[in-house]
Amino acid sequence: EIVMTQSPATLSVSPGERATLSCRASQSVSSNLAWYQQKPGQAPRLLIYGASTRATGVPARFSGSGSVTEFTLTISSLQSEDFAIYYCQQYNNWPPWTFGQGTKVEIK
Amino acid sequence: EVQLLESGGGLVQPGGSLRLSCAASGFTFRSYGMSWVRQAPGKGLEWVSATTGGGDSTYYADSVKGRFTISRDNSKNTLYLQMNSLRAEDTAVYYCAKTLEWIAARPGDYWGQGILVTVSS
Repeated sequence: EIVMTQSPATLSVSPGERATLSCRASQSVSSNLAWYQQKPGQAPRLLIYGASTRATGVPARFSGSGSVTEFTLTISSLQSEDFAIYYCQQYNNWPPWTFGQGTKVEIK
Repeated sequence: EVQLLESGGGLVQPGGSLRLSCAASGFTFRSYGMSWVRQAPGKGLEWVSATTGGGDSTYYADSVKGRFTISRDNSKNTLYLQMNSLRAEDTAVYYCAKTLEWIAARPGDYWGQGILVTVSS
C-alpha cells in the first residue's frame, strides 16, 4: 500500500499570502494525485485531480504541480474561506485510495 | 445539481449490523463509479469500498473485507453499504462519493454530507 505523507502538519498563513502544501508518495503514483479541501463539519471537496487539473468551480488561485512522488498544492493568495484542512490522495495503485494525514491551514 | 444523501446511520452494539444508503440525483447514476469513505472522530480520511458504474466490480479496504458489502441499485439511483460484525473502530462519519468516471479508481468529485455510525455498548 502506498503511504502518502503531507507536510507541514499545520501551516500558519496571513490572508493574502501564498500557501504551499507538500505531499510525498512512498512510491511512484505517476500523476494520479488529487487534493481535497475539508472545512469543519463538512464533506471533502475535490480541488485538483491529475496532479494539476482544477475541478469544476475551483478558483484559479488553487494550483497543483508535481509528478511521480513529489506534489505541491499552492494557494496563491489566501482568502478567509480557504482556511481548512487539505488532503492529498493517490489513485494510481488502487485499491485502495490512500490519503495523506492532512495539512491544516490556519490564520496567522 | 448533483446531490448525494446518506441515511441509515446511528448507534449499534459491537457485533451488530447496519445498512447505509446513499440516494443520488442530478447525474446519470449508472455511468459513474461510487465509493464510501469514512472519517473517525478527529481523524483523517479512510477509503472503505468502491464499485464500478454497473456494480459488477467491487473493492474493499482490508480493514472491512469480509464484513462490509457494497452494492448499488441503478434503477433506484441508490448506493448501499451493508456493515456486519461492527467493531468500535468502525465508529466514524461515512461519506458516499461519486467518482469522476465509470471506473471506481478515479477521485470523488461530489460527496454526500456524511452519516455518523457509532459502535458502542
